[in-house]
Amino acid sequence: GNSVTQMEGPVTLSEEAFLTINCTYTATGYPSLFWYVQYPGEGLQLLLKATKADDKGSNKGFEATYRKETTSFHLENGSVQVSDSAVYFCALRAYGNKLVFGAGTILRVKS
Amino acid sequence: GAGVSQSPRYKVAKRGQDVALRCDPISGHVSLFWYQQALGQGPEFLTYFQNEAQLDKSGLPSDRFFAERPEGSVSTLKIQRTQQEDSAVYLCASSGGRSSSFYEQYFGPGTRLTVT
Repeated sequence: GNSVTQMEGPVTLSEEAFLTINCTYTATGYPSLFWYVQYPGEGLQLLLKATKADDKGSNKGFEATYRKETTSFHLENGSVQVSDSAVYFCALRAYGNKLVFGAGTILRVKS
Repeated sequence: GAGVSQSPRYKVAKRGQDVALRCDPISGHVSLFWYQQALGQGPEFLTYFQNEAQLDKSGLPSDRFFAERPEGSVSTLKIQRTQQEDSAVYLCASSGGRSSSFYEQYFGPGTRLTVT
């Protein structure tokens, strides 16, 4: 079946530090991959996406590359800000358009 | 227009009560999804509508859960005889509008259900 595994948190970093949140997936075929973000008190928002192998999604200083050979979609940010503190979810779109999510990773950025 | 809205935002129910959760999708969106998010977990798929047709209900955890979208717009998720394990945030998402990526799902703020 389809599943997503992402690194456990919380991840605590100082402002301007480099961030990596690991995400690997198991899926039939070649799913589209997503990172969603949930800021405190708000709903899920799409952060970035990639629809095929070697695609790179990027937005708001974050980026992730669809790696078919390692079935991974790791999220990176070269310089995190306090405002990036949130919960990050890796997800894939399975057959029938439903999303399959990882458990989420809490990111805390300190000034 | 406005985003996806859900009501109520918070619901406390006594064990055994029935509850109804409402979702107003983005106007014109064809597809509507319900997800359940337990504390500290990622959302899990419950059911999916395309217009008024319920195309996938494979994620509904029991026959106590029922969803409908009779006119292809507003949807209601009903939980009968609530149990403590039903406590979660219920998320609604819609997709399929003309002005956005067709498959991109836009999420509402969720309804936090607490069963006591």
